Amino acid sequence: AQSVTQLGSHVSVSEGALVLLRCNYSSSVPPYLFWYVQYPNQGLQLLLKYTTGATLVKGINGFEAEFKKSETSFHLTKPSAHMSDAAEYFCAVSVEGGETSGSRLTFGEGTQLTVNP
Amino acid sequence: ETGVTQTPRHLVMGMTNKKSLKCEQHLGHNAMYWYKQSAKKPLELMFVYSLEERVENNSVPSRFSPECPNSSHLFLHLHTLQPEDSALYLCASSQDYHTGWYGYTFGSGTRLTVV
Repeated sequence: AQSVTQLGSHVSVSEGALVLLRCNYSSSVPPYLFWYVQYPNQGLQLLLKYTTGATLVKGINGFEAEFKKSETSFHLTKPSAHMSDAAEYFCAVSVEGGETSGSRLTFGEGTQLTVNP
Repeated sequence: ETGVTQTPRHLVMGMTNKKSLKCEQHLGHNAMYWYKQSAKKPLELMFVYSLEERVENNSVPSRFSPECPNSSHLFLHLHTLQPEDSALYLCASSQDYHTGWYGYTFGSGTRLTVV
């Protein structure tokens, strides 16, 4: 079974500073990796995902993430934080399902990002 | 427009009431999911439907009863809830239950308060 660990339940940055949210995964087969963002009282919105191919993935709102197999990591970055980036961010992993088993999307516990003026 | 619509957005109900949450998707997806999100707790997967058949039920109390009449609609029927059931209930859909690369599309959720 796969799992996800997000390091740091709370991250605080200044406006204009680099955003780095850490995610490590565990999977016995090649994973698919996702980052979702959740604003207060909203659902989860897909930021970006890695399936195959290029390991540096660009998403919406200026975010990007790099899949590093050797480090089993998929950290999320943004060069310059904006006040509107304040939200909760979830890393997730899935693998292909089999004929009799489904593909489960397993979420991390989330990282709350605060952006200070 | 996320493609997954949940109604109502907010619901306050007494412990003896019966209510239903509705989820609708227009994405042509074959799998639908109910999640519970409580404050300071991880996302909890409650139920999974694939092609209108329930394929997962993750130890959810019987006071929660799901229904999937077709691949576009999903309901969560609620009765005799407890205050600890107050949470954000999220519906999600995916292209196929067996396909891992697509990910899920979420609705905006129903904020449920049990009084």
